[in-house]
Amino acid sequence: NAGVTQTPKFRVLKTGQSMTLLCAQDMNHEYMYWYRQDPGMGLRLIHYSVGEGTTAKGEVPDGYNVSRLKKQNFLLGLESAAPSQTSVYFCASSLAGWYGNQPQHFGDGTRLSIL
Amino acid sequence: AQRVTQPEKLLSVFKGAPVELKCNYSYSGSPELFWYVQYSRQRLQLLLRHISRESIKGFTADLNKGETSFHLKKPFAQEEDSAMYYCALHSGGSNYKLTFGKGTLLTVNP
Repeated sequence: NAGVTQTPKFRVLKTGQSMTLLCAQDMNHEYMYWYRQDPGMGLRLIHYSVGEGTTAKGEVPDGYNVSRLKKQNFLLGLESAAPSQTSVYFCASSLAGWYGNQPQHFGDGTRLSIL
Repeated sequence: AQRVTQPEKLLSVFKGAPVELKCNYSYSGSPELFWYVQYSRQRLQLLLRHISRESIKGFTADLNKGETSFHLKKPFAQEEDSAMYYCALHSGGSNYKLTFGKGTLLTVNP
């Protein structure tokens, strides 16, 4: 039972390069989220999705794009990487809200460094 | 706007001592509150939530609406409790976003 799987686990990019982080969940969860974790800042929501084909902005969306073409996958894209985007990125998923406030299940994280 | 404040970035206690990790929130409605834990080199995971009123790994947390607090407590800390702890608030409604505090790193010394 994999839960939430993030790929890659580590990546080093040069400023201006682009890349996509993949998040996959096998729990049939409706909701998916992308966070970034920075020292002293906690977790901040970048974008989220409440279902296949839908996305919405979180707290810190600038410089990122997302897509949810399939229910099980949530992609986070950096079109032109900047050093300020050096961070650890976490994906999470949860059941839809009508079951009550369901906890979020997290992936292992992707450590991204932008040089 | 909702906000979660964890006033202590670092907390260090000795094994067997009581521990309390503070969490205060700001929200005008009826919040749902959670504690998440991240052990070294592991993924973030749910520790407990206030609606369950449960005790997990000896930890408890009571929602105090008057003081807008949701402090995490354990009477006797263990070394394996050393981890990063995050308090999180969900505001309800149709979007299930969580607002996280900045976290408290708990170190339990032998």
